Amino acid sequence: EAQVTQNPRYLITVTGKKLTVTCSQNMNHEYMSWYRQDPGLGLRQIYYSMNVEVTDKGDVPEGYKVSRKEKRNFPLILESPSPNQTSLYFCASRHNRQGALSGYTFGSGTRLTVV
Amino acid sequence: SQQGEEDPQALSIQEGENATMNCSYKTSINNLQWYRQNSGRGLVHLILIRSNEREKHSGRLRVTLDTSKKSSSLLITASRAADTASYFCATDARGNNRLAFGKGNQVVVIP
Repeated sequence: EAQVTQNPRYLITVTGKKLTVTCSQNMNHEYMSWYRQDPGLGLRQIYYSMNVEVTDKGDVPEGYKVSRKEKRNFPLILESPSPNQTSLYFCASRHNRQGALSGYTFGSGTRLTVV
Repeated sequence: SQQGEEDPQALSIQEGENATMNCSYKTSINNLQWYRQNSGRGLVHLILIRSNEREKHSGRLRVTLDTSKKSSSLLITASRAADTASYFCATDARGNNRLAFGKGNQVVVIP
């Protein structure tokens, strides 16, 4: 089944403890992206990657890192999480087709709580 | 970055009725997409309309796009209880390899 898999689904952590949220897709998509969703703010893009070894900042990149060493994986790293990073996180992917004419496939989300 | 803005924010309708949501945006786009999200779950792509298209259908969904007004509408016909969800529009801007989302419309279909 074509899908984007995020892990973990739920995570409670303490301020300052480094964590990684993994994202993997099995559709051979070139483009991958991370979003966070907060009440009243909708979805905001954190980072995106057009292809392997190519990453760019989205709208809210502060406090996050990403890497794209392989096509299928795009982990989100929080080096020193803070309570304002408590949120629902989504990974998404798509093909880099002409004009990006395909919709995105989203993962099921990771609910992160930083205390 | 630009964002789509949906109107109305919340909609409650009876099963069988039609639901219409609007979205406005600010800059030139390659395409506009609509997504559905069931409570706290991942977003599901519903339909994509290109900037040179004016209307598109997919099952009970009808999307229109007016680039002169920078607006789009999503119509769900003959709604069902299973259509209860949040609906987001998202714009893929020209020269910008990113998808910007609006804040979403919550639709409740009452059986």
